[in-house]
Amino acid sequence: NAGVTQTPKFQVLKTGQSMTLQCAQDMNHNSMYWYRQDPGMGLRLIYYSASEGTTDKGEVPNGYNVSRLNKREFSLRLESAAPSQTSVYFCASSARDAGQETQYFGPGTRLLVL
Amino acid sequence: GQSLEQPSEVTAVEGAIVQINCTYQTSGFYGLSWYQQHDGGAPTFLSYNGLDGLEETGRFSSFLSRSDSYGYLLLQELQMKDSASYFCAVSPFKAAGNKLTFGGGTRVLVKP
Repeated sequence: NAGVTQTPKFQVLKTGQSMTLQCAQDMNHNSMYWYRQDPGMGLRLIYYSASEGTTDKGEVPNGYNVSRLNKREFSLRLESAAPSQTSVYFCASSARDAGQETQYFGPGTRLLVL
Repeated sequence: GQSLEQPSEVTAVEGAIVQINCTYQTSGFYGLSWYQQHDGGAPTFLSYNGLDGLEETGRFSSFLSRSDSYGYLLLQELQMKDSASYFCAVSPFKAAGNKLTFGGGTRVLVKP
C-alpha cells in the first residue's frame, strides 16, 4: 500500500498562474482533506470531502477549488496563485474505527508563489 | 468556532519526561487527537482520547478531561528521535468525515 500520495512534491509559480495539486489514496477511505501549513504554524483546513460526490469548505477556502474525482482522488486547484498561497499543502484521508477517527497524511507539496 | 492552545516550545534532555498541555474551546466536541511531525515530514497519528482518562501507547500517553476542556500528551524516556512538533487536534462531531481543528503545535527539542 502506498497510502496517500501527492504530486508534485515541489512547485514554483508566478503570481496569477494556475495549477492543480493531485492527491490519491489506496486505503479505501471515504473522507479526504486538504490542509495548508505555513512556517511554524499548525495545519489549517482548506476543503474536505466526507464522501465521494461531496465537498465542503474548511477554515481557509478562499482562492481554492477542489474536485473529488472518485473515491481515490481529491484534487486542489489554485486558479490565480498569489504570494500569500506560498505554503506546504498536505492531503489526508481518514478512517473511523471504534469511534476513533484517524487521519493519514501524504508527504506534502511545497509551493512557492513569486 | 474552535480554538486550541498549546505551548510553542519545550526543551528536555534524553531520558526525561515531557508533558504537553492542550486546552480547547469548541462549539462541539467528540474527541482529542495527537499528531507528531518531524521537520520536513508529514503529520502522523499518535494517540486519541474519546473518553476521560489516560490512554497509554508505549512511551507515549495521552490524557483527557472533558469537564476541564483539557488534555495532555506525556512523552516518557525521551529519545533524540522524539525531537519533533506535536499537535493536538479536536474532532467536533461524531459524524464520519470529521473536520479536525489543529492547535499551533509544540516544538520539542531533545538534548543529549
